[in-house]
Amino acid sequence: TQLLEQSPQFLSIQEGENLTVYCNSSSVFSSLQWYRQEPGEGPVLLVTVVTGGEVKKLKRLTFQFGDARKDSSLHITAAQPGDTGLYLCAGPQANDYKLSFGAGTTVTVRA
Amino acid sequence: DTAVSQTPKYLVTQMGNDKSIKCEQNLGHDTMYWYKQDSKKFLKIMFSYNNKELIINETVPNRFSPKSPDKAHLNLHINSLELGDSAVYFCASSQVGGVGLVEQFFGPGTRLTVL
Repeated sequence: TQLLEQSPQFLSIQEGENLTVYCNSSSVFSSLQWYRQEPGEGPVLLVTVVTGGEVKKLKRLTFQFGDARKDSSLHITAAQPGDTGLYLCAGPQANDYKLSFGAGTTVTVRA
Repeated sequence: DTAVSQTPKYLVTQMGNDKSIKCEQNLGHDTMYWYKQDSKKFLKIMFSYNNKELIINETVPNRFSPKSPDKAHLNLHINSLELGDSAVYFCASSQVGGVGLVEQFFGPGTRLTVL
């Protein structure tokens, strides 16, 4: 059983459309991170959210941390082909040295 | 000036062989990790070292043995390779051992294929 469930597993959209990716858990997390992994590369950190209800914006990407700190979402506005990749959410387990990853959402933006 | 580097990028080998993957980081970080990403893209931690000391050792077969000669290097040696070991292995590093607010920097991965 994974601590973090991501949905959907796959998402294919046309350039210019909007998309939302979800990350849910039954556990409370002190913080959550979102990473993007491009084919043949390692994951790269996009954002860390810490406070319940927090909203962070990174250009066309909007990240939200749920009030109860059990879920998070990533919204991309006017998606571009460069947004294509695997989006992973991650959160620390009780032992701070361990980071638990969701299974990821593969996003494909068609030109 | 790659931050976290791994060699080799690709590794194809026969069942039963022994192989090693090397990792180096030039970020001055104290903590390094090994992750395994399976065919479904699920990323799972295997080991973590902080200043050359093993701090995370997940349920991984004894055939996998990490070695950290210094805090900038963390190598992974695998004995008696099995088909199920085929995956992409990622090395990562972070500034301190705590992960909650700390960014982990990942290497480009090593794709291991066991035939």
